[in-house]
Parts: sequence; structure tokens; C-alpha cells
Amino acid sequence: LAKTTQPISMDSYEGQEVNITCSHNNIATNDYITWYQQFPSQGPRFIIQGYKTKVTNEVASLFIPADRKSSTLSLPRVSLSDTAVYYCLVGAFSGTYKYIFGTGTRLKVLA
Amino acid sequence: ETGVTQSPTHLIKTRGQQVTLRCSSQSGHNTVSWYQQALGQGPQFIFQYYREEENGRGNFPPRFSGLQFPNYSSELNVNALELDDSALYLCASSLSDLSTDTQYFGPGTRLTVL
Repeated sequence: LAKTTQPISMDSYEGQEVNITCSHNNIATNDYITWYQQFPSQGPRFIIQGYKTKVTNEVASLFIPADRKSSTLSLPRVSLSDTAVYYCLVGAFSGTYKYIFGTGTRLKVLA
Repeated sequence: ETGVTQSPTHLIKTRGQQVTLRCSSQSGHNTVSWYQQALGQGPQFIFQYYREEENGRGNFPPRFSGLQFPNYSSELNVNALELDDSALYLCASSLSDLSTDTQYFGPGTRLTVL
């Protein structure tokens, strides 16, 4: 199973682009990478999911290099409401499913 | 809103007791996963149920058990509660297929063990 690590915290200003990286050195070939946002005492909220290269949706982009040992969540033009904890999640199927969340990155957006 | 609901929202138990937490999946989803999130920590995978059978398990002892019903709702049962079981318990539902298994989370149940 992949071990996933993230920076503990990041600060940014409103309107800036924020990039958060997750390291998953032992990711298996069939693992997807999913990113979530979590506010205090709430369940994680889905942001984006990818397998390789680049994925973009209306709120974020996800960059996955060819070796897939890391992934980067990119949030364009953050606002104060983006202050939250961001997690990557790596899933693996090898007979049965198992999932590992990253260590989480606490993003603080400043005015 | 993900359409995943959990009950109860909060629960207080004493050490040694047993607890049952419930989860209703998002419409159309056939898979349910449970996670434990201690205060200030990331969620830890407990297990997953697919078509009423356990389909994966994390590093949790057997006193953590579950059920999935024909309507795909699910229960998490924890026996012999310990103080360290105090946490936010999260349920996530997904539609398992060969291409993706995006999980959508409920709001969680906050369990306090005294």
C-alpha cells in the first residue's frame, strides 16, 4: 500500500494560485488519486480525481507525473472560504479494496 | 450535499459498552466505506462493504464490525469501547466499477467514550 505524505500547512493570499503536493512513493499501478477538502467537524468534500497526466474541473486541477509517485492539487484564485484541510486519498485494489488518506495540509487563506 | 446520511450525529458512551452507527448511501451507489478520524488527524480506513460483503479492511481489530443491507445502507458496530475509540466516524458511498470509485462522504457521527 502507498504511504502518502503532505506538507502540514500553507498560507496564501486571496486571489493567488495554491499548489499542494502529495507524495505517494509506493502507489500501485491501479491506484486512483483523489483529493478532498474538509472543514472542521464535517465530512470530506470531493474536489477532483485522477489516474495520470492532468485532470481539470470547474474548481481545481490535478497534475500527476509519469511515475505517479506524487500528485499536485492546484486551486486557482483562492478565496477566504477555501481555508480548510486538504487531503489526498490513494486507493488500491489487490483482491480487496484499501484506502489511505494523506497526512493533510492545512491551508489558510489571508485577506 | 452528497446524499449520504449518518445517524446519530453525536453519541456518548462509556468504556466497555457497544455502539452501532448507521449510514444511508447516495442513491445508485452500491459500496460503503467506513473511516475513523481522531481529533486533529486524517481519516483512517476501517473497512468497505460491497454487495453485503466485506471487501477490504484496514488495521482495526475484530471488535470493529459492519453490515451492509440489500438497500446498500450500512452499520458500523464497535464492541468493548475504549477511550481511544473517541473520534468522528465517517461513512462514504461509491459506485464500484472498473474505472473509478469516487467516494462521497457523509457528515459523520461524533462518538465520545468516557
